[in-house]
Amino acid sequence: TQLLEQSPQFLSIQEGENLTVYCNSSSVFSSLQWYRQEPGEGPVLLVTVVTGGEVKKLKRLTFQFGDARKDSSLHITAAQTGDTGLYLCCGGSNYKLTFGKGTLLTVNP
Amino acid sequence: NAGVTQTPKFRVLKTGQSMTLLCAQDMNHEYMYWYRQDPGMGLRLIHYSVGEGTTAKGEVPDGYNVSRLKKQNFLLGLESAAPSQTSVYFCASGPVTLTQYFGPGTRLTVL
Repeated sequence: TQLLEQSPQFLSIQEGENLTVYCNSSSVFSSLQWYRQEPGEGPVLLVTVVTGGEVKKLKRLTFQFGDARKDSSLHITAAQTGDTGLYLCCGGSNYKLTFGKGTLLTVNP
Repeated sequence: NAGVTQTPKFRVLKTGQSMTLLCAQDMNHEYMYWYRQDPGMGLRLIHYSVGEGTTAKGEVPDGYNVSRLKKQNFLLGLESAAPSQTSVYFCASGPVTLTQYFGPGTRLTVL
């Protein structure tokens, strides 16, 4: 069974601060995705990374896939209240998809 | 272009009753998925489909059945609902494996 561990589980910060959340596994994935989910809604895909060492930027969000394709990180610069939500990572190999339990981020004004 | 829609949005069942959740997508995606999301458990894959007429089991398939008779629809059935099936159910679709667009969810309560 492939497991994805996300840390921290909860994170509460002030607007303007920087933060990093992590997604780790003992398994190798062919690709890894990050989603953000807001209360009462479905997850929304933010990014897909497929190459070991790959770095992708989406405005203030920076995603990195580990060299060994077992881990990933999401860094947010100058967090805003609109970044509040549940951040989920999802690893895939063939048709098997495994989600982490998520990091619940609260950005306070 | 509505994306992924789910019907119904909310439902309350009594133990032993049956129901079908409908997922529809208008993006011509080959892949479709059903998940359940529970507090502390994250998203868990119930069943998935890699194309019209195909279905396969995911991580937690027991107590559920699915059908993909048309490419745009993926149905999730509960034959005899149990309180343990109280959850939020999400459908997703994607053009290729591992890329998923989620619907808004169905909140199901089994009494």
